[in-house]
Amino acid sequence: DTAVSQTPKYLVTQMGNDKSIKCEQNLGHDTMYWYKQDSKKFLKIMFSYNNKELIINETVPNRFSPKSPDKAHLNLHINSLELGDSAVYFCASSLATGGNSPLHFGNGTRLTVT
Amino acid sequence: GQNIDQPTEMTATEGAIVQINCTYQTSGFNGLFWYQQHAGEAPTFLSYNVLDGLEEKGRFSSFLSRSKGYSYLLLKELQMKDSASYLCAVREGGKLIFGQGTELSVKP
Repeated sequence: DTAVSQTPKYLVTQMGNDKSIKCEQNLGHDTMYWYKQDSKKFLKIMFSYNNKELIINETVPNRFSPKSPDKAHLNLHINSLELGDSAVYFCASSLATGGNSPLHFGNGTRLTVT
Repeated sequence: GQNIDQPTEMTATEGAIVQINCTYQTSGFNGLFWYQQHAGEAPTFLSYNVLDGLEEKGRFSSFLSRSKGYSYLLLKELQMKDSASYLCAVREGGKLIFGQGTELSVKP
């Protein structure tokens, strides 16, 4: 199936731990994103990569480090997890960064920090 | 700054028509998107407007007025499966900025 897939779907961990979320797209898109959706359903952009290069880095704590080994993959590593990091993290991709290119979202990773 | 406003919740009846409004103030504008998100699922693309006017796609239509910073999503012949959150998003440069979403409940 052509899609944006991210793993794991659920992640429960304790404060202070380090965790990673993986994302892969087989749509042939050049641009990938990480978004965070909080408990109020507000979707906020964190990072964007175009062809493996970082192009958007919002005001995100440097405990969050994205890595794009190739344009089909964008992983997110989080160090020293905090309670406030609990949210749903969505990976997305688009054909281009502008115009009418819609974002295609993965199914999300629900992170719970206890 | 960036500001995208939508009503938090709306309720409508099956078979009816509902209009979900979105107003925006952003420093740049490269188009406006509407997404649908069912509980526990990924947002899915519904429509895109970059020029003023109405875009129709089956039961869903989206309208844009750039001078007023205003858009609406019109859903006709509502079905129970249309119960979801509807997200308005503005493209500003290379990023998509989302509103907080409107939770639509469709009642029998």
